[in-house]
Amino acid sequence: NAGVTQTPKFRVLKTGQSMTLLCAQDMNHEYMYWYRQDPGMGLRLIHYSVGEGTTAKGEVPDGYNVSRLKKQNFLLGLESAAPSQTSVYFCASTLGDYYEQYFGPGTRLTVT
Amino acid sequence: RKEVEQDPGPFNVPEGATVAFNCTYSNSASQSFFWYRQDCRKEPKLLMSVYSSGNEDGRFTAQLNRASQYISLLIRDSKLSDSATYLCVVNRYSGAGSYQLTFGKGTKLSVIP
Repeated sequence: NAGVTQTPKFRVLKTGQSMTLLCAQDMNHEYMYWYRQDPGMGLRLIHYSVGEGTTAKGEVPDGYNVSRLKKQNFLLGLESAAPSQTSVYFCASTLGDYYEQYFGPGTRLTVT
Repeated sequence: RKEVEQDPGPFNVPEGATVAFNCTYSNSASQSFFWYRQDCRKEPKLLMSVYSSGNEDGRFTAQLNRASQYISLLIRDSKLSDSATYLCVVNRYSGAGSYQLTFGKGTKLSVIP
């Protein structure tokens, strides 16, 4: 089992460019999440999904969109990148509300 | 009170020492509690779940006090490999029948030879 994987691992964007981060899990988990982690801020939830075809906003959703077309994949899109979106992005998945979350290795994004 | 609040740290302790981390949470309806470990530039990984009766896993002991809304993690006989940031994690009801995890900012531990 690969667990949770993320692509790409690193990316540098210029302001205004767009990109999509891909998260894939092979644990048959229903729930998937996108977080960002910034120094001194801890992990903050961007968007999440409780099943294929569903998405919902988290704590900091502005500037991001997501899609969950297949159960195993959760995509995070940045339509017009801004320097404030420079961060480390983590994807996670879980069986359900009361279970631990498993994280991917992260994507380090720099927006110049 | 912040949703999940932890000791700010950093904690610098010698090998073999016992170290305790504390965490408080604000939502009395929270039902699941965890300690995660995060190494530098890596993803968070589950260290242990925290149960009402308290639980132990080798050198690690976790305690939960629901009345005081307080969670603790005790590490005995610290090893160099225990150096990491420890995240206190609590679930909370976010509406529409869904719970979310709220992460504390973490406490950094450095174990010194």
